[in-house]
Amino acid sequence: QVQLQESGPGLVKPSQTLSLTCTVSGGSISSASYYWSWIRQPAGKGLEWIGHIYISGSTNYNPSLKSRVTLSVDTSKNQFSLRLSSVTAADTAVYYCARGDSLWLQLDYWGQGTLVTVSS
Amino acid sequence: QSVLTQPRSVSGSPGHSVTISCTGTSSDIGVYNYVSWYQQHPGKAPKLMIFNVSERPSGVPGRFSGSKSGNTASLTISGLRPEDEADYYCCSYGGTYTFSVLFGGGTKLTVL
Repeated sequence: QVQLQESGPGLVKPSQTLSLTCTVSGGSISSASYYWSWIRQPAGKGLEWIGHIYISGSTNYNPSLKSRVTLSVDTSKNQFSLRLSSVTAADTAVYYCARGDSLWLQLDYWGQGTLVTVSS
Repeated sequence: QSVLTQPRSVSGSPGHSVTISCTGTSSDIGVYNYVSWYQQHPGKAPKLMIFNVSERPSGVPGRFSGSKSGNTASLTISGLRPEDEADYYCCSYGGTYTFSVLFGGGTKLTVL
């Protein structure tokens, strides 16, 4: 059974960089059959796609966040990571990592989510 | 404001059926079958319920079905059960020149 687990600081100061890591277990992150995504959800609001990365290193980002987002993958640790720079209070949200299927693009496995609060 | 439009809420009685709509455009739902639906209970991660417009992942009850007509996708839940009460999100590939993922604003299903 594939499992994903987000980790990282729960509190980030305004203007700083938010960094999160997603550890994948029960399967290899190196499979070409999947891509690896980040999605966020502000309290009481809907889901927002942040971006995703393929094992090749190819990335796609939400245009509204593209200038501030960097995704990376570490196959040796079976992990992928998110960096979001110049954060503001509007970036406060639960951040989810998820696995996407390369054929039909659905997000079939999700992490439990981690709350990141941007505050001084 | 979400790119895919869903009703904010729907409701139904146990045993009855409800349908949740998801309206996009001719650049996303209208041209691609990469439509999926997710169920989210409070405080939990979303769960995949439907992909490829109408396919169910293993373990998802047959009471959940999906369809698409033109620019609108729909999720129908028949034989409503109390545990179906949750938020539901539609999702579509929105790529034209770049690969993007679009979510609907979510629909709160209340089982009366």
